[in-house]
Amino acid sequence: NAGVMQNPRHLVRRRGQEARLRCSPMKGHSHVYWYRQLPEEGLKFMVYLQKENIIDESGMPKERFSAEFPKEGPSILRIQQVVRGDSAAYFCASSPGTAPPNEKLFFGSGTQLSVL
Amino acid sequence: DAKTTQPTSMDCAEGRAANLPCNHSTISGNEYVYWYRQIHSQGPQYIIHGLKNNETNEMASLIITEDRKSSTLILPHATLRDTAVYYCIVRVLGGATNKLIFGTGTLLAVQP
Repeated sequence: NAGVMQNPRHLVRRRGQEARLRCSPMKGHSHVYWYRQLPEEGLKFMVYLQKENIIDESGMPKERFSAEFPKEGPSILRIQQVVRGDSAAYFCASSPGTAPPNEKLFFGSGTQLSVL
Repeated sequence: DAKTTQPTSMDCAEGRAANLPCNHSTISGNEYVYWYRQIHSQGPQYIIHGLKNNETNEMASLIITEDRKSSTLILPHATLRDTAVYYCIVRVLGGATNKLIFGTGTLLAVQP
């Protein structure tokens, strides 16, 4: 059973371009979570999705950021018109459910976004 | 979710036990204590969790005080690969959102 897969591992964009980060959850997991880690800072929650639905987006910036988790395919975190301050490591996690024993989050290796 | 307080950093000699403390004095009766760690440049990794009883698994032991206001994560025989930031998180389960809220954690440096 493969773990949470994120790609690309590294992504370089110029200011103003769009960044698309992909996350394939573990098999059987229908809950996906996105986190951002700025350089030398902690992990900040961004958004929580459950197949086709956004459950909690309290950590998402109001503009330029969006996330989706379609019925088929990976979850996508999309950042439009990137700025240098978007440079960070973006981690995705998944869980099979929310009640014990299925509540534990399993994290991917992250996508390092660099904005030039 | 209740907040936690952890030391910023700790050192431990290789092969010795690493004891990482966490204070959660405002924890509620239905909140669990979770521990995750993040090795440099990797995603966080689940270690262990508990409600009020002490817990042990293949990675670590979790000791929760009787009043539940603090806990200690024990790595019985630390290795260099255990060098990481360790996060203590308290959370309610089964709520509307299953997110984890990470604090600043403890940077454990295992010394050869």
